[in-house]
Amino acid sequence: SQQGEEDPQALSIQEGENATMNCSYKTSINNLQWYRQNSGRGLVHLILIRSNEREKHSGRLRVTLDTSKKSSSLLITASRAADTASYFCATDPGYSTLTFGKGTMLLVSP
Amino acid sequence: ETGVTQTPRHLVMGMTNKKSLKCEQHLGHNAMYWYKQSAKKPLELMFVYSLEERVENNSVPSRFSPECPNSSHLFLHLHTLQPEDSALYLCASSQDTGTGSGANVLTFGAGSRLTVL
Repeated sequence: SQQGEEDPQALSIQEGENATMNCSYKTSINNLQWYRQNSGRGLVHLILIRSNEREKHSGRLRVTLDTSKKSSSLLITASRAADTASYFCATDPGYSTLTFGKGTMLLVSP
Repeated sequence: ETGVTQTPRHLVMGMTNKKSLKCEQHLGHNAMYWYKQSAKKPLELMFVYSLEERVENNSVPSRFSPECPNSSHLFLHLHTLQPEDSALYLCASSQDTGTGSGANVLTFGAGSRLTVL
């Protein structure tokens, strides 16, 4: 299975702190994506990193990719209460549909 | 969630009922998807349509029946469901299915919360 596995399953921090979530996968990928889901809502695409990239930034988000370790991390800097959500990584092999993990539930307290 | 609309947002049905979930996208995408999201499980891909043709059916029970009349609309017809089918059903669309064409980014709807009594 190419399924991404996020770690930790849940993370609780204070506003202003940084939040780091990790994703591991099993087979080769074309790209890896991170999505966010607010409670009971649909997923929203956050950022995509291609297999030939090592790091990517978007606002307060920083994503890294280590294809040799088959792992990625999502860093949210200076977190806000509004960042409270579940975060999912999704692997794209380039020849079939995305595969999602179980997600990391992030709680940011004011 | 903008661009993909799902109705109804909430549905409660008995095991003998027949109901349908509807999904509509106005993004000009060619591919549409149904996912099932249950608590503490990864998203489960149910069906994939590309240019109105079903291209993937992940061993979904026949009590779930998809329909894609055109590239903007996708339905999921439900009949004789079981309580374990209670879940959040998510529709998504993408430019294409990504097979061989590079990045495949999905746009999701807000979901339909289904409860089977």
